[in-house]
Amino acid sequence: GDSVTQMEGPVTLSEEAFLTINCTYTATGYPSLFWYVQYPGEGLQLLLKATKADDKGSNKGFEATYRKETTSFHLEKGSVQVSDSAVYFCALSRNTGGFKTIFGAGTRLFVKA
Amino acid sequence: DTGVSQDPRHKITKRGQNVTFRCDPISEHNRLYWYRQTLGQGPEFLTYFQNEAQLEKSRLLSDRFSAERPKGSFSTLEIQRTEQGDSAMYLCASSLPRPGGTSGQPSGGANVLTFGAGSRLTVL
Repeated sequence: GDSVTQMEGPVTLSEEAFLTINCTYTATGYPSLFWYVQYPGEGLQLLLKATKADDKGSNKGFEATYRKETTSFHLEKGSVQVSDSAVYFCALSRNTGGFKTIFGAGTRLFVKA
Repeated sequence: DTGVSQDPRHKITKRGQNVTFRCDPISEHNRLYWYRQTLGQGPEFLTYFQNEAQLEKSRLLSDRFSAERPKGSFSTLEIQRTEQGDSAMYLCASSLPRPGGTSGQPSGGANVLTFGAGSRLTVL
């Protein structure tokens, strides 16, 4: 079945460091790919998405590119801030024949001032 | 619109009791989802509705769990004879399929979920 694997955390970085959180997926067909974020004390919210191969999703300085050849959707940010401290979830959703979204286990990010 | 609302936010119960959670989705959304999340894990899919029809259920949803969405608006998730292993955060999300394409999804569309704050269940 469909699945998402993301790097284990926690990831601890200093402010202004470069961030990469790896995510790979297994799915038949062409799913949509997402990064959701959960800030402390808040619910999950969409960070960015990509719907087809080579699409780049971006938001709040974060980017991720849909790589079908490597079945990956790695999250990157050039310069993290303390306010980026949160749990990040990679996810996929089929576009036909059922619309459930499958999530990875999440990666906790701590950013130190 | 106030977003997705869940009630109660926290429920503490004794093993063997029944509990019910309610979710009010965004009013324009016709898909509603239930997920379960335990500490350190990602949300696990339980079930989803399109309007009032329950279209998919996970194998995680044992016969002690039942979900309804009687009028295609709010939904309830009931857990009967609770067990300590049921302790978790129960998340509700809703989404709106865009017009056009098969199954309501245009080519290149994405099913974006809007989540509620969750209902935390503690079974003693």
